[in-house]
Parts: sequence; structure tokens; C-alpha cells
Amino acid sequence: RKEVEQDPGPFNVPEGATVAFNCTYSNSASQSFFWYRQDCRKEPKLLMSVYSSGNEDGRFTAQLNRASQYISLLIRDSKLSDSATYLCVVTSNAGKSTFGDGTTLTVKP
Amino acid sequence: DTGVSQDPRHKITKRGQNVTFRCDPISEHNRLYWYRQTLGQGPEFLTYFQNEAQLEKSRLLSDRFSAERPKGSFSTLEIQRTEQGDSAMYLCASSPEYEQYFGPGTRLTVT
Repeated sequence: RKEVEQDPGPFNVPEGATVAFNCTYSNSASQSFFWYRQDCRKEPKLLMSVYSSGNEDGRFTAQLNRASQYISLLIRDSKLSDSATYLCVVTSNAGKSTFGDGTTLTVKP
Repeated sequence: DTGVSQDPRHKITKRGQNVTFRCDPISEHNRLYWYRQTLGQGPEFLTYFQNEAQLEKSRLLSDRFSAERPKGSFSTLEIQRTEQGDSAMYLCASSPEYEQYFGPGTRLTVT
């Protein structure tokens, strides 16, 4: 079993839809959590941090559930430009970062 | 541009040759990470530095891989005796604490 698991998708949604991704992790000592966005043949770019109290940035909301060891990302009012691969990453207190393999989102007109 | 830079952007080498990649982090960031990424996979952790100290190294890494960050600024990743399975994108990221900022990567092709 992988340390960090994501549903690979693809998720194909119409513009304006709400879509949610989940990511589960196995290391209960994990310390920090983030979502990244990666466009085709580009480097990952930081999207947002994830906290137990939740984190909202415009149309994006991220949430951490430590008890169940999963993080989520909610995208409201999807835009064509949201089409990308979304990666979750979990960092241990020793500094090792583990990425999921990503969830692919395609937003269609 | 004050982002993370990597050099070269592309490298084609023959099997058995050694290659070295360079990463220049964002200047005030004391943490530096190396990853390898292949198509359809997320970045795979290779190693992590805090300043010049290499604090974590993946057990997946064979002895052919070595990384240095001699003065706590730029870093190099060397792969000795390259194999076709080493073909991948090699990504570097720097971090002030936890969030990481990636460079554009070095694409390695081993023929």
C-alpha cells in the first residue's frame, strides 16, 4: 500500500461544477499537508496549505482530518483553467515529503 | 527571476555515463529537496537538505545517486553509471519551512 493515495480519476466535469478530491495517508506522525497543481509537462505549483481548521482561498477549500488520516480539496464553480493534475503531499516531522500520484481534472465547456 | 532554477533543462546521455545536475534555490530558503518524476506518477522523494546537512535520503536510492549542498546554497545531484530506468524528470524544490517551491526540472534521457 502506498504511503499517500489519491484517486487518479480522471474527473471530467462541466464548467461551473463543484468537484472534490480526497487523499489518504498512512503515517500518523505526518506534520504538514499541502495541495499542489501540476500542468502537463510543468513543475508542481503550490496551491494551498491544509489545516485541521480548514483553509479557504476563493473557490478552493482544503481540509485535514487527522483522525481518519485524509485530506480533501473542494473546487467550486470550476473553470476551464482549473484543468490540471492535483497532487497532495504529506511531510513527516523528519522532513521527508511524500506525494500522491495525483488526480487529473478536466473541466469541459 | 528569483525562483528556483535548475541546470541543465534537458540531458541526453548514454547508458553507463555519469551525469550531474545543479539546483539553485530561492536565496533565503534553507531547505532543499530533490525528487524524481516519471509519467503518470507523483514526484518521488530522493533527498532533503537543511542548510548543508543532508537529513533524509530515500531508501529507494541506490548508491549510484549522490547529492551535495556544500555551502548551504546551491545543490548538485549526481547519478553514476546511468541506466535506462533513470530516465525521468528530476525536480528540485526549496522551502523556507514546510511549503515547497519547485524549479522547472531537468529531463534526463538515458539511451
